[in-house]
Amino acid sequence: AQKITQTQPGMFVQEKEAVTLDCTYDTSDPSYGLFWYKQPSSGEMIFLIYQGSYDQQNATEGRYSLNFQKARKSANLVISASQLGDSAMYFCAMRAPTGGGNKLTFGTGTQLKVEL
Amino acid sequence: GAVVSQHPSRVICKSGTSVKIECRSLDFQATTMFWYRQFPKQSLMLMATSNEGSKATYEQGVEKDKFLINHASLTLSTLTVTSAHPEDSSFYICSAREAGLAGVTEQFFGPGTRLTVL
Repeated sequence: AQKITQTQPGMFVQEKEAVTLDCTYDTSDPSYGLFWYKQPSSGEMIFLIYQGSYDQQNATEGRYSLNFQKARKSANLVISASQLGDSAMYFCAMRAPTGGGNKLTFGTGTQLKVEL
Repeated sequence: GAVVSQHPSRVICKSGTSVKIECRSLDFQATTMFWYRQFPKQSLMLMATSNEGSKATYEQGVEKDKFLINHASLTLSTLTVTSAHPEDSSFYICSAREAGLAGVTEQFFGPGTRLTVL
């Protein structure tokens, strides 16, 4: 079965600091994809970054980077130079063939609050 | 970029009534749409996968007779909550997968519909 675990229900970070949001996953499929989404209080799901299981390099998108450690089955999101607008809920998700190829399995989320 | 809309964004209804939520892909064709449910401060739970022109596939524990899904065209899927009760109050989000595209961001999310049943 596919499983995503986010162990940090809430995180605080000061503006301009970097923050790491943890995500571990479990799958027996050799090919899978890992996603991070941001959900502000308005509710929409905003795609941030993607990492494929066969990608050799860690994914980066602007201030977002994904620390992919395949052997440890972790896919932590790093946000650099935090901004007040980064305050939101962050979800890690996985897509894998066994779960039904197109389906996304989500973690429980981490509520990030950026402080002055 | 690909845009998915949902209508209505917010609905309040009386217990026992039915509510229809529309999910539209505005600038692409979606062979597959997904319906999720999210309770406050919880994660998204997939309810069903909707394929254009065929019956939806429901996740375990989701009542197909209560949550009717129709995907009649490549740009529209509807979710009807029949005989809604207060426990159905939730945030419903759809996502759409672009036809023929197997890339990274192939699922695009709608803005969600907040349903409150009195």
